[in-house]
Amino acid sequence: AQSVTQPDIHITVSEGASLELRCNYSYGATPYLFWYVQSPGQGLQLLLKYFSGDTLVQGIKGFEAEFKRSQSSFNLRKPSVHWSDAAEYFCAVATRVTGGGNKLTFGTGTQLKVEL
Amino acid sequence: EAGVTQFPSHSVIEKGQTVTLRCDPISGHDNLYWYRRVMGKEIKFLLHFVKESKQDESGMPNNRFLAERTGGTYSTLKVQPAELEDSGVYFCASSQGGLLGGYTFGSGTRLTVV
Repeated sequence: AQSVTQPDIHITVSEGASLELRCNYSYGATPYLFWYVQSPGQGLQLLLKYFSGDTLVQGIKGFEAEFKRSQSSFNLRKPSVHWSDAAEYFCAVATRVTGGGNKLTFGTGTQLKVEL
Repeated sequence: EAGVTQFPSHSVIEKGQTVTLRCDPISGHDNLYWYRRVMGKEIKFLLHFVKESKQDESGMPNNRFLAERTGGTYSTLKVQPAELEDSGVYFCASSQGGLLGGYTFGSGTRLTVV
C-alpha cells in the first residue's frame, strides 16, 4: 500500500536561512507527488506537483522540490525562508482507485516555525 | 472565482449528537472530495463524488458517516451519532479535471466532540 513519511514533525529555522523538508514515499508505480501548505485558519494550498519530466520542480512562493526515484524522496526546499512561511507542510502521493478516480495519501505534516 | 467554502468553520457537539458539515465546491467542478485529519495524524481520504454519484467511499470510517451531494452541487457530511474519536478537521476539495488537474481545498471544519 502507498504511504508517505515526513520524518520531521517540527522544524525551526531563522528567517533568511535555507530550508529543506523531507518526504519519502512508498508507491509501486510512477508516483504523482505533491506538496501542500496550510497556514493558520486557511485551507490546504498547493505549492507544487510532480508528474513526470524534469525532476526539479518549481512551485509558488519560491519553493522547489526534487524527485529522486532511487531514494523514493521528494524533498521540499527554499533558499531563504521568510517569516510568512511559518505554516504546516504536507507531502502527498496520488493513487488511482477503482472507477478511475484518484485520491491523495498524505504524510503527517511538518510544522515550520520561523525565528526572526 | 469563489473558492471551496465549508461551514461551519468550527463545531462543538456532545457525544451522541448529530452534526452536518457542508461543502460548496467551486462552481462547475464535478469532482468533490472529503478528507479528515484527526489530531496529530495524517490527513486521510474519506470519499470522492463525481457529480452526484459516489465514485469511491472506501475511506468512510463506519456507517455513522453519511455523505450526500444533491444535484451535483454542494455536499453534506453527516455524523450520527457522533463519537469522541470523530473529532478532527474535515476538509473538502473540488476539481474539474480530476486530481491531476489540481484540487482546491476548503479551509476545513474543525469538529470537536465532547
